[in-house]
Amino acid sequence: DADVTQTPRNRITKTGKRIMLECSQTKGHDRMYWYRQDPGLGLRLIYYSFDVKDINKGEISDGYSVSRQAQAKFSLSLESAIPNQTALYFCATQDRYYGYTFGSGTRLTVV
Amino acid sequence: TQLLEQSPQFLSIQEGENLTVYCNSSSVFSSLQWYRQEPGEGPVLLVTVVTGGEVKKLKRLTFQFGDARKDSSLHITAAQPGDTGLYLCAGDAGNNRKLIWGLGTSLAVNP
Repeated sequence: DADVTQTPRNRITKTGKRIMLECSQTKGHDRMYWYRQDPGLGLRLIYYSFDVKDINKGEISDGYSVSRQAQAKFSLSLESAIPNQTALYFCATQDRYYGYTFGSGTRLTVV
Repeated sequence: TQLLEQSPQFLSIQEGENLTVYCNSSSVFSSLQWYRQEPGEGPVLLVTVVTGGEVKKLKRLTFQFGDARKDSSLHITAAQPGDTGLYLCAGDAGNNRKLIWGLGTSLAVNP
């Protein structure tokens, strides 16, 4: 099994729908992150969590929410999806030496 | 705002050639990381450099951290098609350990 697992890998949804992207990790890391990646804009931080009780907004949190259900699970929700949220979404964990382990990503298309 | 600028943005070379890509900033970082990302996958950590002037080697890849810890370079010797991918640098500014990401250098190594 992968260290960081994201589901689904691909998703097409309609404008206005609520959608949840899930992330689970077997690394045992406390720190977890959600990023989106867009051509020309790079990786942008949506939310991050340093432990189960610590949730923080990143640079582009509007329209998104998160839930840290356990140390190993960190979910990202789009409350009401819009087309400009079409992107590649990555979950990542961070170890004590600050290296990140990324999941394989979720390609989300909002139509 | 702290920025990491990567150059060149795109690079297409023939197998066997050498290349260097750069990661520059006006800010000082406590450490800097390099990642490689293949299409449809998440970035994978290659190396972390911590000390100004540090040089690390990973097979045919040589990473250097600038003396002032503001810049870094990645040199690939005798590039192979398997080196194809997006190379990302990310700096740790010490701000709760969230990374500052460059936009990447997209490398294509042609057989």
